[in-house]
Amino acid sequence: KQEVTQIPAALSVPEGENLVLNCSFTDSAIYNLQWFRQDPGKGLTSLLLIQSSQREQTSGRLNASLDKSSGRSTLYIAASQPGDSATYLCAVRPAAGNKLTFGGGTRVLVKP
Amino acid sequence: SAVISQKPSRDICQRGTSLTIQCQVDSQVTMMFWYRQQPGQSLTLIATANQGSEATYESGFVIDKFPISRPNLTFSTLTVSNMSPEDSSIYLCSVEGSGRSADTQYFGPGTRLTVL
Repeated sequence: KQEVTQIPAALSVPEGENLVLNCSFTDSAIYNLQWFRQDPGKGLTSLLLIQSSQREQTSGRLNASLDKSSGRSTLYIAASQPGDSATYLCAVRPAAGNKLTFGGGTRVLVKP
Repeated sequence: SAVISQKPSRDICQRGTSLTIQCQVDSQVTMMFWYRQQPGQSLTLIATANQGSEATYESGFVIDKFPISRPNLTFSTLTVSNMSPEDSSIYLCSVEGSGRSADTQYFGPGTRLTVL
């Protein structure tokens, strides 16, 4: 059974600092990994999708890496802003099937 | 990408009643997914809804408690039946994108349910 873990559960940084969010998974037989952002009481916004054959994806200030063999993904957010404050979730899709398994999320606070 | 709307956005309900949540997508999709997010928790898949067939429920979720309808390729409903305070959660519907966005999962804004 796939298990997805995100550490730390919460993170507070001053504005301008780079953010590093970690996601680990136990079963490396994945199809893809997706990073989401969730604002309080809201739905999820897709940030980046990494296919199992890819090593990284970039979008603006966001960069996500994937090391499938070690079961890890990292989301980097450069030059953080107060608007980046949210909960960030990673989710893994298995190689067989389409059920996503979510991590517990990392709650980020960027202080002005 | 896919644009998803949900109704209602939030509701406060009495114990023992039922609530039906609607999910509308701006494009035709094969599968729609219903998730639950309990307070302070991550997302858990309730069921997968295919048009024209019975929904497939995950372990711990049953049709009598969470009946789902999927009348066409752009719409689905989830009913939370005989509610108790433990059903207080955010309920989200989700679809997979198509074309260049295939494999990307998109989520609706969620329905925040409070059961008293």
